[in-house]
Amino acid sequence: LAKTTQPISMDSYEGQEVNITCSHNNIATNDYITWYQQFPSQGPRFIIQGYKTKVTNEVASLFIPADRKSSTLSLPRVSLSDTAVYYCLVGVPASGGYNKLIFGAGTRLAVHP
Amino acid sequence: NAGVTQTPKFQVLKTGQSMTLQCAQDMNHNSMYWYRQDPGMGLRLIYYSASEGTTDKGEVPNGYNVSRLNKREFSLRLESAAPSQTSVYFCASSEEYRGLTTNEKLFFGSGTQLSVL
Repeated sequence: LAKTTQPISMDSYEGQEVNITCSHNNIATNDYITWYQQFPSQGPRFIIQGYKTKVTNEVASLFIPADRKSSTLSLPRVSLSDTAVYYCLVGVPASGGYNKLIFGAGTRLAVHP
Repeated sequence: NAGVTQTPKFQVLKTGQSMTLQCAQDMNHNSMYWYRQDPGMGLRLIYYSASEGTTDKGEVPNGYNVSRLNKREFSLRLESAAPSQTSVYFCASSEEYRGLTTNEKLFFGSGTQLSVL
């Protein structure tokens, strides 16, 4: 199965910009890239999704290069409440024409005062 | 709306016992999923149901069975629990499946913490 690769952990300070990169060399041509955030004792929560170039919403930006083999989640001016695990998600072609949604190991972001 | 509801929240089993984890969503979603999460492993897909009436294996299906009871409900059964199945289990759902693209958003329940002794 194709896998995603992310840094295991990152540290930052309040007010800084944080960039988390995910590698997905085997992404399917028609596949989107989605990022989720997970706090302790909770299920993951959708943050942002994109197919190519740049996507921005009220929470984050997502940068995807032309070859789409990687993507970068950008969190502007992080706060202590952004401390969480961040997952990059792509689909893997499966039988029956469906894509299985496979999570990577995630990046544990710690934001310090 | 409650979103995705999982029951129970906590469960302790002895090796060899069986149990069923329940999941229900009230968002009229077509697709539903079961994941397990172990420390340092991220989330691993156990089974999924792309639409009512269909189920398929994920990354780690051994030791589990699923039932898509109706559009709302998707249950996960452990027939003979083993200590290796100690984990946190998450159910998720997504909007109507759109074919070969994967631009769905997953909505997760709050999880079931299962310990097998």
